[in-house]
Amino acid sequence: EIVMTQSPATLSVSPGERATLSCRASQSVSSNLAWYQQKPGQAPRLLIYGASTRATGIPARFSGSGSGTEFTLTISSLQSEDFAVYYCQQYNNWPGLGTFGQGTKVEIK
Amino acid sequence: QVQLVESGGGLVKPGGSLRLSCAASGFTFSDYYMSWIRQAPGKGLEWVSYISSSSSYTNYADSVKGRFTISRDNAKNSLYLQMNSLRAEDTAVYYCARWDYDILTGTHYGMDVWGQGTTVTVSS
Repeated sequence: EIVMTQSPATLSVSPGERATLSCRASQSVSSNLAWYQQKPGQAPRLLIYGASTRATGIPARFSGSGSGTEFTLTISSLQSEDFAVYYCQQYNNWPGLGTFGQGTKVEIK
Repeated sequence: QVQLVESGGGLVKPGGSLRLSCAASGFTFSDYYMSWIRQAPGKGLEWVSYISSSSSYTNYADSVKGRFTISRDNAKNSLYLQMNSLRAEDTAVYYCARWDYDILTGTHYGMDVWGQGTTVTVSS
């Protein structure tokens, strides 16, 4: 099973600052990686797929990069609505089920 | 608008059964792979199962294989998850989600539509 490890577990950031979240795969997943945002009591929302392509309606302040085993989600200028938990998910082992990271909580500093 | 609405969750005793449903609207349901994802209290996400658009292919997490069965009825725009032999560790919020996958090009576009979730509690 491909294990996805996210860091840090919690990131404290002030509004307007830049946030950088990391996701590492235990083996190469090429660019088959997605990022999701989840707010308390809500379902996850797709932000990024293919490691770097923003999903429909996602603001440009969200960007994804990386390939292979190292990936980054960057939020260029944090807005109040961006404080949430972020998950990465690999789907390189398709048709197997992809695996999620354990999440990074972005909280207000 | 594009929407998924889950139902069928509840409290069940260990060893019991439950059937979850997910009603889709606002898109051509029969064109898409569909998935169930769960989230245990205070925990992360686990992809439980998926089914292809025509029901030809299914897959399951090892944790539920042999106990859960995914199915769909394209005429009713509905997705189902039959859960048998339930265990305490199956306690979670269960989400249905649309998995956008172009079978012709092999391109994946992620889980782009999610329901609000339904809660399953397995306890005596």
